[in-house]
Amino acid sequence: AQSVTQLDSHVSVSEGTPVLLRCNYSSSYSPSLFWYVQHPNKGLQLLLKYTSAATLVKGINGFEAEFKKSETSFHLTKPSAHMSDAAEYFCVGGSGNTGKLIFGQGTTLQVKP
Amino acid sequence: NAGVTQTPKFQVLKTGQSMTLQCAQDMNHEYMSWYRQDPGMGLRLIHYSVGAGITDQGEVPNGYNVSRSTTEDFPLRLLSAAPSQTSVYFCASSRTGGNGYTFGSGTRLTVV
Repeated sequence: AQSVTQLDSHVSVSEGTPVLLRCNYSSSYSPSLFWYVQHPNKGLQLLLKYTSAATLVKGINGFEAEFKKSETSFHLTKPSAHMSDAAEYFCVGGSGNTGKLIFGQGTTLQVKP
Repeated sequence: NAGVTQTPKFQVLKTGQSMTLQCAQDMNHEYMSWYRQDPGMGLRLIHYSVGAGITDQGEVPNGYNVSRSTTEDFPLRLLSAAPSQTSVYFCASSRTGGNGYTFGSGTRLTVV
């Protein structure tokens, strides 16, 4: 069975410093992996997606993630945090053509001035 | 292009009442799904569909019913509301599943 684990429930950084949100996945086959962001009282917005074309994936708003099969990881990074990045972030696994998404528990990113 | 539209945005129900949460998309997406979001639990899949006339259960289907008579619409029915169904509900759609999903803005449901 596929599973997605976000290793930190809460991450706090200062504005202008790097962001690292960690995600491990478990899958018996090559997965589709996504990062979504949810700002307070809003819906979910797709940040980036991995679908086996390239291991380093660039997304919107300066975020990127690297798929490492040997470590079964898909960590999300950003070189310099902005106040507007404060939100909930979800690492999500897709099971191909079944239509199912498997969500991690979420990581709350706090950005301090 | 409206994307995924969910109605209503807010709803309060009494225990035992029934209601339908509406979801419509105008992107001709085959895949549609319903999730509920509860604090500390991420989003959990309730029901999903890979095309008109095809639906299947997700992780937490009990107390919910769905049908998919058209490509555009995927309503979620609460048969007899319970306080445990107090949650935020999200509908999502995708063209292929592997390219990511577009989410609606959510319905916040409270059952008293």
